[in-house]
Amino acid sequence: QVHLQESGPGLVKPSGTLSLTCAVSGGSISSTDWWSWVRQAPGKGLEWIGEVYHSGSINYNPSLKSRVIMSVDKSKNHYSLKLNSVTAADTAIYYCTRRGAIIGYAFDIWGQGTMVTVSS
Amino acid sequence: EIVLTQSPGTLSLSPGERATLSCRASESFTSINLAWYQQKPGQAPRLLIYGTSNRATGIPDRFSGSGSGTDFTLTISRLEPEDFAVYYCQQYVSSPRTFGQGTKVELK
Repeated sequence: QVHLQESGPGLVKPSGTLSLTCAVSGGSISSTDWWSWVRQAPGKGLEWIGEVYHSGSINYNPSLKSRVIMSVDKSKNHYSLKLNSVTAADTAIYYCTRRGAIIGYAFDIWGQGTMVTVSS
Repeated sequence: EIVLTQSPGTLSLSPGERATLSCRASESFTSINLAWYQQKPGQAPRLLIYGTSNRATGIPDRFSGSGSGTDFTLTISRLEPEDFAVYYCQQYVSSPRTFGQGTKVELK
């Protein structure tokens, strides 16, 4: 059973960089699945940030593309998110999630989420 | 970008009643790429339905999905107390992957 666990600072200063990692356990990040990030601002809906494949292929949400970098570290079986030039609008719960090949690439496994607050 | 619009925003029902949630897409796409998620307060979303009508592992058969083209529906045949939550539809046929704004099913 694949399990995802987010980690990273819970507080980031405005104009700084938000950096999160998602550890994949119970399976390989080099599988045929895609690895995504989704966020949820307080009291709001879900927003897809982007996704990465183990080969390095990446898709980003155009609304965030200029500020986002995602990467995969196969040796550590984890993937990462960096979001630059953050503002209060980036305050949210950040979830890592898998797009599972076995079910046609719906988002079948989710981490518990990590709250990131942008504040000085 | 495919925009998904869910209705109603809030559904007030009692246990045992039937819930019908709608999701309309801004353009037509293949139904194999439409999913529904359930989210309870303080929890991560949980996949309920993928490919429009396939229940995810462990999802009870009172949950069913249907639809095609631009109109999709999630039906909960008889609401159980644990079903009161927010439900999101999502398309994953194209990037950006987009979610609807959610429908809250609340206790009447």
